[in-house]
Amino acid sequence: DAEITQSPRHKITETGRQVTLACHQTWNHNNMFWYRQDLGHGLRLIHYSYGVQDTNKGEVSDGYSVSRSNTEDLPLTLESAASSQTSVYFCASSPPGGTEAFFGQGTRLTVV
Amino acid sequence: SQQGEEDPQALSIQEGENATMNCSYKTSINNLQWYRQNSGRGLVHLILIRSNEREKHSGRLRVTLDTSKKSSSLLITASRAADTASYFCATAKTYGNNRLAFGKGNQVVVIP
Repeated sequence: DAEITQSPRHKITETGRQVTLACHQTWNHNNMFWYRQDLGHGLRLIHYSYGVQDTNKGEVSDGYSVSRSNTEDLPLTLESAASSQTSVYFCASSPPGGTEAFFGQGTRLTVV
Repeated sequence: SQQGEEDPQALSIQEGENATMNCSYKTSINNLQWYRQNSGRGLVHLILIRSNEREKHSGRLRVTLDTSKKSSSLLITASRAADTASYFCATAKTYGNNRLAFGKGNQVVVIP
């Protein structure tokens, strides 16, 4: 079955380190998204992509970057991790003209 | 500002009762979607209602949309213990790209 997977599921890192969270989907969806989920804020959009070589900033993009070199993957990089980036990160994908988003299981990131 | 903001309620009901939760948003939308999140898991799409629709049903779910009031409600009838979860509404401004703006979520506990 097609799916969307995130790795790692849990990560602890130190302030200032570069961290990359992986997202891989096998549906061949053009649209991919990264959200962060924090108590009291719901899900907030970090970055998104509508296809290979396309990336766009969301509402909370500062300190994050993404790249889209193929259809299947959209890795999220924290350039220099900060304690404020401690959160649960969700990757999602949807087909063009899609009516729903499919979410990964999430990555819980702790920055100490 | 974030669209799709639910009343931040935590709802506790007995099995068999109906659960209703509300969502409001600020700008024009193409569609509104509801998602469920079980503890520690990713979000799962439940139902989508388009801006030209007023009511939609899917199994035990009933969603309404009032574009004049910029609000939506989700009704779960005959609730089950398995319905215990957080429920989020999300709005899409345009058709197809599914760049969603999420609300803060409603936590529903169904007591067996």
